[in-house]
Amino acid sequence: GAGVSQTPSNKVTEKGKYVELRCDPISGHTALYWYRQSLGQGPEFLIYFQGTGAADDSGLPNDRFFAVRPEGSVSTLKIQRTERGDSAVYLCASSLTGLAGVEQFFGPGTRLTVL
Amino acid sequence: DAKTTQPNSMESNEEEPVHLPCNHSTISGTDYIHWYRQLPSQGPEYVIHGLTSNVNNRMASLAIAEDRKSSTLILHRATLRDAAVYYCILRSLGDMRFGAGTRLTVKP
Repeated sequence: GAGVSQTPSNKVTEKGKYVELRCDPISGHTALYWYRQSLGQGPEFLIYFQGTGAADDSGLPNDRFFAVRPEGSVSTLKIQRTERGDSAVYLCASSLTGLAGVEQFFGPGTRLTVL
Repeated sequence: DAKTTQPNSMESNEEEPVHLPCNHSTISGTDYIHWYRQLPSQGPEYVIHGLTSNVNNRMASLAIAEDRKSSTLILHRATLRDAAVYYCILRSLGDMRFGAGTRLTVKP
């Protein structure tokens, strides 16, 4: 079956520009997560959705980062006024529920490069 | 979230068992122990998880200490495709907080 998909796979932008990264979770999964991963480090939690609402956004680094999931399925991570330090791989994951004993399924990631 | 401690790297020979340790001395009663692995240029992949009892699945086994302050991921016969970064994560809420993980190298 179809797994988690993310588009684009690569995004190159200039400092100060706005970008949107898209995540299509596995159908029926109510929980959706965003992470970002810098080279040589483990994934860093950003935000977690349960249905349409953000259940935990404590990982968003500042107010330039925002994410939505308006219909409880597809999610978009939005980054305003991008900075070179935002360059990373942005990972999306989904799970059937948000319970702690449930596995997460990860997408391949979007590699964002800010020049 | 409680923290985990893992060795930075480990080596194994192909077709031999591998024991990947994880210490989590501040684990709480509601924390599940999850293991994920990440192959080069891929997103993390679920391996196994448990709460109190040892667990087995087609990929690996998870041995949990009686006091739950440590656990060990066991790959019964390492293959070259098992070369990856392995993450041990404690999870009591919806999100997961990754550490740096253990980079496993498998030698032919």
